[in-house]
Amino acid sequence: AQTVTQSQPEMSVQEAETVTLSCTYDTSESDYYLFWYKQPPSRQMILVIRQEAYKQQNATENRFSVNFQKAAKSFSLKISDSQLGDAAMYFCAYRLIQGAQKLVFGQGTRLTINP
Amino acid sequence: EAGVTQSPTHLIKTRGQQATLRCSPISGHTSVYWYQQALGLGLQFLLWYDEGEERNRGNFPPRFSGRQFPNYSSELNVNALELEDSALYLCASSFYIGDLNQPQHFGDGTRLSIL
Repeated sequence: AQTVTQSQPEMSVQEAETVTLSCTYDTSESDYYLFWYKQPPSRQMILVIRQEAYKQQNATENRFSVNFQKAAKSFSLKISDSQLGDAAMYFCAYRLIQGAQKLVFGQGTRLTINP
Repeated sequence: EAGVTQSPTHLIKTRGQQATLRCSPISGHTSVYWYQQALGLGLQFLLWYDEGEERNRGNFPPRFSGRQFPNYSSELNVNALELEDSALYLCASSFYIGDLNQPQHFGDGTRLSIL
């Protein structure tokens, strides 16, 4: 069974600084997708960034980037120039390419931005 | 473009009752997914519907059921409600085109409270 682990229940960062959220996963599959979602207090899950496991290049979306280490089964999220609006729960998620399309989520990391 | 819409926003029931939660996907999306976000348990996959058929089911008892209508909207029904069913129920939708990476987009959720 696939599992996703986020070892940091809470993180905090000063506004305008950089923060990295950790995620590791366990799977025997070779083809899969990885995602980071954020869930602000408004509770809607918002897709932040996604990575295809067959791509070696790390995904980047504006201030958000990932460090994908397939052999180590690690998928960390870096947020640069942190803004107050980045405060949220961040969830790492995994999904197979074929077969069941369910997302497997980690337990989440609560990110606080200090002004 | 309208996002995924869920109703009601909040639902209060008592033990043994039945609850019906509704979800309208993004226009053009054929797949609908249901997740349960219970306190302390994280996000757990419940059901996946595509083109009116149940494609995959998570590890939940049969009293959790649902359906997808011809317009791709979906209902989640929970029978014989138990206290531990109290949770935020999130609906997501996506295109389903084989192995193409189609991310899931989430609604704001329905908060189900069991008294």
